[in-house]
Amino acid sequence: AQKITQTQPGMFVQEKEAVTLDCTYDTSDQSYGLFWYKQPSSGEMIFLIYQGSYDEQNATEGRYSLNFQKARKSANLVISASQLGDSAMYFCAMREGRDNYGQNFVFGPGTRLSVLP
Amino acid sequence: DGGITQSPKYLFRKEGQNVTLSCEQNLNHDAMYWYRQDPGQGLRLIYYSQIVNDFQKGDIAEGYSVSREKKESFPLTVTSAQKNPTAFYLCASSIVGHSYTDTQYFGPGTRLTVL
Repeated sequence: AQKITQTQPGMFVQEKEAVTLDCTYDTSDQSYGLFWYKQPSSGEMIFLIYQGSYDEQNATEGRYSLNFQKARKSANLVISASQLGDSAMYFCAMREGRDNYGQNFVFGPGTRLSVLP
Repeated sequence: DGGITQSPKYLFRKEGQNVTLSCEQNLNHDAMYWYRQDPGQGLRLIYYSQIVNDFQKGDIAEGYSVSREKKESFPLTVTSAQKNPTAFYLCASSIVGHSYTDTQYFGPGTRLTVL
């Protein structure tokens, strides 16, 4: 079974508007971390934001925020005030507490975001 | 500036040749990882290492080999036994590796093409 689901293969957003990228996850662990990465066309995976399973507040990093709904097992990325440079692939990832060495860092299939001028 | 460097950016290999991809980090991270990414797909783990002189196979280790002689360096060799090596290779590192709070940071990647 897929541990990370990203149901939007592609998304379009107008410049300066906000956009939400969906991510749902599946785990039976109580302890886990959720991560979002951006991959521009150059290929580098850029870490954006982290949310721990015990964190009570939604994580925020500049224009990025994470809408964490633990009961629904969702961790959606919200990008405010989109910029043309935000056009990229976005990956949601999860690491479970039972993963002792990071060898099961699971990535979703990604969402391609295109920002329109 | 601290970070992870990978070289070369592009690599071309003939059938039957071994090639080595370089990965260096100056973040003082203990754990290092190699991933493979095929077009339109997510990342798959090839090898990982928690400490110097120790490394473990990931999900798709066949046809690959690694070494970890220094904390900063984790080179990946793609051998002739790897049947379909054309892909994008990403190296990553994290502080210690054994906590779910550890973020993995990635290098810029190497694009390998077999001619």
